[in-house]
Amino acid sequence: NAGVMQNPRHLVRRRGQEARLRCSPMKGHSHVYWYRQLPEEGLKFMVYLQKENIIDESGMPKERFSAEFPKEGPSILRIQQVVRGDSAAYFCASSPTGRTDTQYFGPGTRLTVL
Amino acid sequence: AQSVTQPDIHITVSEGASLELRCNYSYGATPYLFWYVQSPGQGLQLLLKYFSGDTLVQGIKGFEAEFKRSQSSFNLRKPSVHWSDAAEYFCAVVTGGGNKLTFGTGTQLKVEL
Repeated sequence: NAGVMQNPRHLVRRRGQEARLRCSPMKGHSHVYWYRQLPEEGLKFMVYLQKENIIDESGMPKERFSAEFPKEGPSILRIQQVVRGDSAAYFCASSPTGRTDTQYFGPGTRLTVL
Repeated sequence: AQSVTQPDIHITVSEGASLELRCNYSYGATPYLFWYVQSPGQGLQLLLKYFSGDTLVQGIKGFEAEFKRSQSSFNLRKPSVHWSDAAEYFCAVVTGGGNKLTFGTGTQLKVEL
């Protein structure tokens, strides 16, 4: 049973470009969470999604960031017009239900903005 | 607001020595608590979790943690540390109705041979 998969593992963008991060949850998991880890900091919650629904986006920056989890395919975290402050590791986690289940984490995507 | 505090940013222990990593939480209701470990450049691996019941929880790799409500703590312990335990350890609590984790800032563990 494959774990949570994220790609790309490393992404380099220039300021003003768009970044697209993908997350495929574990088989049988329909709940996805995105977290951001800034250098020298812990992980911060960004958004929680179920298939075709955003359940909680209280941690998402108000501008330039969006997330989706379509009926088919991976969850996507999209950052438009990236700035240097967006450089971070972005982790996706999944769980079978949205209650107090254990969240299983992917290896992360490390975004570097030049 | 809910929060998690890991007071030790860095800890160094000798291989074979015992280990205790501290975690304090601030949460009004019964917390659901987790310890995760992150090796350099890797994702997070769950070590153990506490939801209810026995306050001493056993995890993988020989780790255990004890939930103490009176002290709002959930400290992680290991009786004998191995060099491969060197990593960053995060304590976390479930908040927001059970669908988002609030993490501490982490404790970086260094193991001296």
